[in-house]
Amino acid sequence: KNEVEQSPQNLTAQEGEFITINCSYSVGISALHWLQQHPGGGIVSLFMLSSGKKKHGRLIATINIQEKHSSLHITASHPRDSAVYICAVVSGSARQLTFGSGTQLTVLP
Amino acid sequence: DAGITQSPRHKVTETGTPVTLRCHQTENHRYMYWYRQDPGHGLRLIHYSYGVKDTDKGEVSDGYSVSRSKTEDFLLTLESATSSQTSVYFCAVMGSGELFFGEGSRLTVL
Repeated sequence: KNEVEQSPQNLTAQEGEFITINCSYSVGISALHWLQQHPGGGIVSLFMLSSGKKKHGRLIATINIQEKHSSLHITASHPRDSAVYICAVVSGSARQLTFGSGTQLTVLP
Repeated sequence: DAGITQSPRHKVTETGTPVTLRCHQTENHRYMYWYRQDPGHGLRLIHYSYGVKDTDKGEVSDGYSVSRSKTEDFLLTLESATSSQTSVYFCAVMGSGELFFGEGSRLTVL
């Protein structure tokens, strides 16, 4: 069983819709990252969370340490948001990184 | 960013040959990682390093070795490449709480 579970695996939305991607993990962590990967492109970090909530433009990320759960929200989605979104957790003193399997988001115009 | 450079970016090799991929960073961050990305599997950790000469195995380490003799360089070696090691390899660096990725190295083993 993967230590990091993401849902949904695939998501198709209409432009303007509110989108939520979920990430659950089973280990103790020191931080959680949300990443974005466009088709054929590199991977960029969107957020690093250790508690609470962060907002950047139309993106909002939250984490509940007690429930071992994080969510990434996209408000007013746009076709350029189409990408794979990946959560990654940091654990242990050696800062091991473990990734979820990713969510393929497609936003239709 | 962490000034991450991966080399080579593309390589085609034959089964049984050794291959070394290099990850270079310019910011002296402590933590470095090698991943492979395959369709249907997402990103899987091969090896990681938490300091010079300090490395540990990830979930798919068989057939791979690493070395970190300097803070800025993390080398991934396939001692005898196999077709199952055809993949895109990403290096990641973590420092100051942030996470940075290299652009990836596409390896094809014929």
